[in-house]
Amino acid sequence: EIVLTQSPATLSLSPGNRATLSCRASQSISSSLAWYQRKPGQPPRLLIYGVSNRATGIPARFSGSGSGTDFTLTISSLEPEDFAVYFCHQRSSWPRGTFGQGTKVEIK
Amino acid sequence: EVQLLESGGDLVQPGGSLRLSCAATGFALSTSAMNWVRQAPGKGLEWVSTLGSSGTDTYYADSVKGRFTISRDSSQNTLYLQMNSLGVEDTAVYHCARDVKGVFDCWGQGTLVTVSS
Repeated sequence: EIVLTQSPATLSLSPGNRATLSCRASQSISSSLAWYQRKPGQPPRLLIYGVSNRATGIPARFSGSGSGTDFTLTISSLEPEDFAVYFCHQRSSWPRGTFGQGTKVEIK
Repeated sequence: EVQLLESGGDLVQPGGSLRLSCAATGFALSTSAMNWVRQAPGKGLEWVSTLGSSGTDTYYADSVKGRFTISRDSSQNTLYLQMNSLGVEDTAVYHCARDVKGVFDCWGQGTLVTVSS
């Protein structure tokens, strides 16, 4: 099973700051990586798929990058509504897949 | 608007059974693969099962294989997860999610299953 390790577990930042979230896979997953946002009481929301493609309606301040085993979600300038939990997801062997444990972006 | 709404979660004793439902609106289930994903208390998300768009191809995580069955009723536009021989390790919030090209583009809020005596 491919393990996804996210870091840091918690990121304390202020609105307007840049957020950089990491997701590392235990083996190469090519481009089968997505990022989701989760807020309390809401279902997860797809942000990024295929490493770097923004989902419909996702603002341009969200971007994804990486390859092989190391991937990054960047939020260029945090808006108040961006404080949430973010998790990565790989599905290199469809339909099986695994999720990262999540990074909480909290207000400093 | 595409929406998914789960129901059927409950408190059940070990060894018991439960059927979860996921009502879809805004699209036809027959046009997409669909999934169940769960999150146990204090744990990360875990893929449970996938139903292919054909409605006949089914896939299961090793942890539930032989105990859970995924299916759908296209006339009701509803996805199901029949769960048998439940154990305490199955306690979790269960989400259904639409699968588009391998990503979950729409999720439901989830329904809580608690297995306890």
